[in-house]
Amino acid sequence: DIQMTQSPSSLSASVGDRVTITCRASQTISNYLNWYQQRPGSAPNLVIYAASSLPDGVPLRFSGSGSGTDFTLTISGLQPEDFGTYYCQDSNSTFMFTFGQGTKVEIK
Amino acid sequence: EVKLVQSGAEVKKPGESLKISCKGSANRWIAWVRQMPGKGLEWMGIIYPGDSETKYSPSFEGHVTFSADKSTSAAYLQWSSLKTSDTAIYYCARLTMRGVRRTFDVWGQGTRVIVSS
Repeated sequence: DIQMTQSPSSLSASVGDRVTITCRASQTISNYLNWYQQRPGSAPNLVIYAASSLPDGVPLRFSGSGSGTDFTLTISGLQPEDFGTYYCQDSNSTFMFTFGQGTKVEIK
Repeated sequence: EVKLVQSGAEVKKPGESLKISCKGSANRWIAWVRQMPGKGLEWMGIIYPGDSETKYSPSFEGHVTFSADKSTSAAYLQWSSLKTSDTAIYYCARLTMRGVRRTFDVWGQGTRVIVSS
C-alpha cells in the first residue's frame, strides 16, 4: 500500500506569510495528488487536484506543485480563513485514496 | 446544488449493531472516511450505489460493511458488533472522475458515532 507522509505536522504563521506544506508518496503517483482543507467542525474541502489544478471557487493564493513522489502546497499570502488542517491524498491507486496524516495551520 | 445528507449522531454500547446512511447520489462512487477524535482522515473504502460494487481499504475490510439502495440514492455503512475504538466521525463523499481529476468534491456533514459502556 502507498503511504503518504506530510511535513510539518503543524505550523504557525502570520497573516500575509507564505506557507509551504510538503507531501511525499512512498511510490510514484504521477500527478494524481489532491489537497484538502478541513476547518474544525467541518467536512474537508478540496483546494488542489491533480497536483497543481485549482478547483472553481478556490482563491488564487493556493497553488500546488510536484510530480512522482514529492509534492508541495503553497499558500501565498496567508489569510485568517486559511486556518485548519490540510491533507494530501493519493488519487492514483485504483479505488484506494490514501490520505496523509495532516498538517495543522494556525494563525499567529 | 448536489448535497450528501447523512443520518444523525448515534450513541451505542459495545457489541451493538449500527447502520448509518448517506443520501444524495445514485450514479457516482461514494466513499466512507473515518476521523477518530482529534485525529486525521482515514480512507475506509468506496461503493457504487448503481450496482453495489465495493472496494474496502485493507485496514477496514471485515470490520465494516458497505451497502447501497439505488432506488433511494442511499449508501450505508454498518457494523455488526461495535467496539469503543469505533468512536469517530464518519463522512461520506462523492467521487468525481474526469481524466486526471479524481476528487471528492461533495461531502456529507458527517455522522458522529459514540460507542461507550
